Amino acid sequence: DIVMTQSPDSLAVSLGERATINCKSSQSVLYSSNKKNHLAWYQQKPGQPPKVLIYWASTRESGVPDRFSGSGSGTDFTLTISNLQAEDGAVYYCQQYYSTPTFGQGTKVEIK
Amino acid sequence: QVQLVESGGGVVQPGTSLRLSCAASGFTFSSYSMHWVRQAPGKGLEWLAVISYDGINKYYADSVKGRFTVSRDNSNDTLYLQVNSLRPDDTAIYYCARVPITMVRGAAYWFDPWGQGTLVIVSS
Repeated sequence: DIVMTQSPDSLAVSLGERATINCKSSQSVLYSSNKKNHLAWYQQKPGQPPKVLIYWASTRESGVPDRFSGSGSGTDFTLTISNLQAEDGAVYYCQQYYSTPTFGQGTKVEIK
Repeated sequence: QVQLVESGGGVVQPGTSLRLSCAASGFTFSSYSMHWVRQAPGKGLEWLAVISYDGINKYYADSVKGRFTVSRDNSNDTLYLQVNSLRPDDTAIYYCARVPITMVRGAAYWFDPWGQGTLVIVSS
């Protein structure tokens, strides 16, 4: 299985500032046939299921604010939350769907 | 609107079995592959199983292979997960989730949407 490792485990960011979450896969999730990175990002708030934010590593899901952006390729990926809002406090997970799906351990974003 | 509603969870003793259900509405259930994912209390997400839109292809995580069985009833828009020989470490919220694209097999897509989950507690 592909192991997904997120960093940091948690971070505290002030309102209006930027949060950066990293995700590293144990092998490349760039699929040669479609030239796409099989990597998604989810947001999970307490008592709720995860909600997809980003797929194909950088495609924002419809309705997701444009302060959320994804980047990276191969084995190294980043989720950036610009201009952090109060409602962005949550746990964020990366997930690879290149092979049997696996998730990162999660990163908790707290509002400072 | 698209909705997934899980049921069937509860408090059970080790060694027993449960059948979890996921009722789908708001979309053509028979056109979408479906997944089960679980989350132990305060922990991360663990993928369990996927079943293709027609029920032909099924894949499992190694951790549950042989104990869990995924199935579906496309005539009743319902997904199932039969969980046998339950252990305390199976305690978790069990979510069903849909793939975002119709008529695809396997697990090569993200999950969207997810149900609210059903809680299974395995304890003596």
